Amino acid sequence: QVHLVQSGTEVKKPGASVKVSCKASGYSFTNFYIHWLRQAPGQGLEWMGIVNPSGGSTKYAQRLQGRVTMTRDTSTNTVSVELRSLRSEDMAMYYCVRDIGYGYGAFDYWGQGTLVIVSS
Amino acid sequence: DIQMTQSPSSLSTSVGDRVTITCRASESIRNYLNWYQQRPGKAPNLLIYAASSLQSGVPSRFSGSGSGTDFTLTISSLQPEDFATYYCHQSYRTPNTFGQGTRLE
Repeated sequence: QVHLVQSGTEVKKPGASVKVSCKASGYSFTNFYIHWLRQAPGQGLEWMGIVNPSGGSTKYAQRLQGRVTMTRDTSTNTVSVELRSLRSEDMAMYYCVRDIGYGYGAFDYWGQGTLVIVSS
Repeated sequence: DIQMTQSPSSLSTSVGDRVTITCRASESIRNYLNWYQQRPGKAPNLLIYAASSLQSGVPSRFSGSGSGTDFTLTISSLQPEDFATYYCHQSYRTPNTFGQGTRLE
């Protein structure tokens, strides 16, 4: 059974950094890309970037370039996203999602979400 | 970036209704279009991928169609558990982008 289990709620001050982790289980970790998405309260979904768990390559949304880093650890089947210089508009639910593969790019499994609160 | 426009943004419906939600892309995305359902307080759930392929475990009352720029999600007979928000998603090009959502009420 595929599971993506994310780390818990984070409360940060503006200007700080946050790191959210996502532990995968139930499948071959290096065979499926992982994306990170976020959803501000009451808003829609925003794509943040993608990480290839096999080689570690990444691609980020341009609007986050310079503030975001996505990494993976094949020894623990974990991917992480770090976002720096937090602003109020970064307050959102953050999701790791598995790419279904075969080139379709759909997201077939989702983490439970990690709430990041940015408040002074 | 490819813009995804969903309509309507909300829809007042009833159990048993046939429901159609549309999604239009700002340029051709071939069939790289996916649909998700999100219930309040929950993560989204994949319903349809590649425009018309039903994800495993999803009831057959859900169907998708379209290619190029215009796509449709249809629920043939609305069930009580289907009252949720639905999002389309293009995976043709990064950055992946989403429609603004359609809320069924």
